[in-house]
Amino acid sequence: RKEVEQDPGPFNVPEGATVAFNCTYSNSASQSFFWYRQDCRKEPKLLMSVYSSGNEDGRFTAQLNRASQYISLLIRDSKLSDSATYLCVVNRVDSSYKLIFGSGTRLLVRP
Amino acid sequence: DGGITQSPKYLFRKEGQNVTLSCEQNLNHDAMYWYRQDPGQGLRLIYYSQIVNDFQKGDIAEGYSVSREKKESFPLTVTSAQKNPTAFYLCASSMSGRPGYEQYFGPGTRLTVT
Repeated sequence: RKEVEQDPGPFNVPEGATVAFNCTYSNSASQSFFWYRQDCRKEPKLLMSVYSSGNEDGRFTAQLNRASQYISLLIRDSKLSDSATYLCVVNRVDSSYKLIFGSGTRLLVRP
Repeated sequence: DGGITQSPKYLFRKEGQNVTLSCEQNLNHDAMYWYRQDPGQGLRLIYYSQIVNDFQKGDIAEGYSVSREKKESFPLTVTSAQKNPTAFYLCASSMSGRPGYEQYFGPGTRLTVT
């Protein structure tokens, strides 16, 4: 089982739609969770950290479910500019605290 | 303008040659990282450094080497021993290597070895 698993998609949605991605992680002791966005042939950019109580940033909402070991990202009122790959990131639970990146979920927002 | 710079953006080399990729940050971050990304795959950690003059192997360190002589700089050398060097190389930094600190990425270097 991969340490971080994401549905690769693509999710193809019309502008204005609400779309949600889930990501599962294997180690229940993981402490840090993030969502990054990566545009084609560009570097990943931090979208938001994910906190235990859930957090919102404009149209984006992130949730953490420790019992089921998954995090989610909800995008409301999708824009064309939201088209990208969304990477789920979890810290590795060892002495290094390294980050583990999922392979990403691709989102296509159509006019 | 604070940030992470990587150069060059594109690099072409012949098989058997060593090549060094540059990474500089002016964010005053303690920790720096090198990843590679292959098409359709997640980022894989090559090396990381939590503090100047110290670095550790990541998951795929074979065929690579690094140095961390200055806080701002973390160059990566891809040696001829690396079997599949063609990839997108990304450098990142974070304020600290401890949990909870976000990593920020440079624009990346696309290396093609023929």
